[in-house]
Amino acid sequence: NAGVMQNPRHLVRRRGQEARLRCSPMKGHSHVYWYRQLPEEGLKFMVYLQKENIIDESGMPKERFSAEFPKEGPSILRIQQVVRGDSAAYFCASSPHYRYLGYGYTFGSGTRLTVV
Amino acid sequence: KNEVEQSPQNLTAQEGEFITINCSYSVGISALHWLQQHPGGGIVSLFMLSSGKKKHGRLIATINIQEKHSSLHITASHPRDSAVYICAVRLRTSGSRLTFGEGTQLTVNP
Repeated sequence: NAGVMQNPRHLVRRRGQEARLRCSPMKGHSHVYWYRQLPEEGLKFMVYLQKENIIDESGMPKERFSAEFPKEGPSILRIQQVVRGDSAAYFCASSPHYRYLGYGYTFGSGTRLTVV
Repeated sequence: KNEVEQSPQNLTAQEGEFITINCSYSVGISALHWLQQHPGGGIVSLFMLSSGKKKHGRLIATINIQEKHSSLHITASHPRDSAVYICAVRLRTSGSRLTFGEGTQLTVNP
């Protein structure tokens, strides 16, 4: 029973390129969360998705960032026209339905994005 | 002021010492998580609490809902416990997403 799978582990992009980060949730988990950890800072919420639905995107920057969780396949966090300030570790987490009593919350290993 | 405050920010201990990391929050929560992050590594969920106390091996987590406070204890600490420990809460007003403390960097020397 694989955990939350994120790829790539490390991603280097030049300024202006696009970055695509992938997250496959744990088997049986229908909720996906993306969090960002800037250098020397704490984790911050970005977006919460269920299959084919964005539930809460209040933490997403207004421009250049988008996320999806299609019916088939992994969740994708997409950053267009990357800038140096996007360099960070991006973590994905998954959980079963939030009403499940005592539900688990499992994190992936993260994608370290470096913009050069 | 952050909604989640941790103390201390940094903690250095000798192997075998008993360690306590504290977390205070200022708003109503539905659950509190303790997480562990090794340098350059992923995040591991240690505990999820909504009341009382939980124990797993040498780790103990407690929460006092009335005082809005939680503690993570490590007994008989070991160098492999060196990591960042993060307190995170699920606010009643924001569904199932987490709000994080800044983390406590723990170093255990042999």
